[in-house]
Amino acid sequence: GDSVTQMEGPVTLSEEAFLTINCTYTATGYPSLFWYVQYPGEGLQLLLKATKADDKGSNKGFEATYRKETTSFHLEKGSVQVSDSAVYFCALINTGGFKTIFGAGTRLFVKA
Amino acid sequence: DAGVIQSPRHEVTEMGQEVTLRCKPISGHDYLFWYRQTMMRGLELLIYFNNNVPIDDSGMPEDRFSAKMPNASFSTLKIQPSEPRDSAVYFCASSHTGSGANVLTFGAGSRLTVL
Repeated sequence: GDSVTQMEGPVTLSEEAFLTINCTYTATGYPSLFWYVQYPGEGLQLLLKATKADDKGSNKGFEATYRKETTSFHLEKGSVQVSDSAVYFCALINTGGFKTIFGAGTRLFVKA
Repeated sequence: DAGVIQSPRHEVTEMGQEVTLRCKPISGHDYLFWYRQTMMRGLELLIYFNNNVPIDDSGMPEDRFSAKMPNASFSTLKIQPSEPRDSAVYFCASSHTGSGANVLTFGAGSRLTVL
C-alpha cells in the first residue's frame, strides 16, 4: 500500500542553520504531496503542497520539490529560526483518494 | 471561519468510564476525519465521513470505539468503556473536495488521559 518514510528525529540546529528533512514515498498512482507542521499543543496545519511531478511548494521560507524519479519530497529552509521548532509531517494523498497517509513526523529543535 | 472546533480540550477519566469527544468541522467541508496521536504509534486514522456518511472505519481499534456524524456540523467519537491504553490526543480534521488536493484542516485536539 501507499506509505511515507521520513527521517527520524529529533533534529537539533542552531538559529540560521540550513534545514533538510528527508521524505520518500511509495504510491501506485500519482499522489499529491504535503508537508504539515505541528507546533506544541496545537493540531497539524498545512505548510506546503505539490500536486504533480517537478512542482515546488513553498511557504514561510520552506520549500519542497516533487521528485517523481526519486519518489522524494524533501523539506528545506535556508535559515531556521527558534520559532520553527515543531514537528514536521510529510504526507500524501493518492489520485482519486481521500485518505491522507502521514509519515511518522520529525521533531525539530532550533537553539538560539 | 473559526476553524475546526473540538471539545473538550482535556479530559481525565477513570478506566471503565464513557468518554465522548466532539467536533464541529468547517462549514461547507464535506469530509471529516478522526485521528489519534500517540508517541508510540504516531498519527493514526480512525474513521472518516463523507457528507455525514461513514466511509472507512477500518482504523477504529475495537468495538469500544464508535463515531457518529448526525449532521454536517457535528461529529462525536465515543469510547465505552475507556481503558488506560486509550490515552492519546484525538484530532478531528475536515476537508473540501472542491479545492483540488484534499488539504486537511485540523482542530486543536482533545487530550484524553484514562487513569
